Amino acid sequence: DIQMTQSPSSLSASVGDRVTITCRASQSIASYLNWYQQKPGKPPKLLIYAASSLQIGVPSRFSGSGSGTDFTLTITSLQPEDFATYYCQQSYSSLTFGGGTKVEIK
Amino acid sequence: QVQLLQSGAEVKKPGASVKVSCKASGYTFTDYYIHWVRQAPGQGLEWLGWINPNSGGTNYAQNFQGRVTMTRDTSISTAYMNLSGLRFDDTAVYFCARNSGRGGFVDFDYWGQGTLVTVSS
Repeated sequence: DIQMTQSPSSLSASVGDRVTITCRASQSIASYLNWYQQKPGKPPKLLIYAASSLQIGVPSRFSGSGSGTDFTLTITSLQPEDFATYYCQQSYSSLTFGGGTKVEIK
Repeated sequence: QVQLLQSGAEVKKPGASVKVSCKASGYTFTDYYIHWVRQAPGQGLEWLGWINPNSGGTNYAQNFQGRVTMTRDTSISTAYMNLSGLRFDDTAVYFCARNSGRGGFVDFDYWGQGTLVTVSS
């Protein structure tokens, strides 16, 4: 199975900060990488698909980049509603999720 | 609007089976694969497999082969996930999710609200 490693596992940030979360695959997954946001008690919400495409309805402050093994989710100006846990997910071979990154208020 | 409505919470004993349903509305049920994902308390997301509602074809994650069965009833636009031989570590929220169907990519654009399955003696 392809292992997905996210870093950091948690971070503290302030409203307005630029936040970057990374996801590394144990082997090349081309662009078969998605990002989700999850808030407590809710299902995940798709933010980015195919590594860099913004899902309809998602604010443009979210962006994704990368290909192969290294990927990044960037939030350019953190808003109060962005405090949540973020997961990457690959579908190149079978399907696996990263361990998650919890974004907390500083 | 697209909705996936799951069945209610379940409490089961070790060794028992559980069947969770996922009723789709707002789109043509047979046009999109349904996947199942679970999340243990305070933990990350784990994929269980998918079903093709059109053909009934399935693909299960290796960790769950032999214990999970996914079925569907197209007459009521509902997918089902049955997990047998329940263990304490199967306690989790189980989600169904729709694959958006964008080419060869697998991404989940709609999710059910989740069903808590508790395994307790």
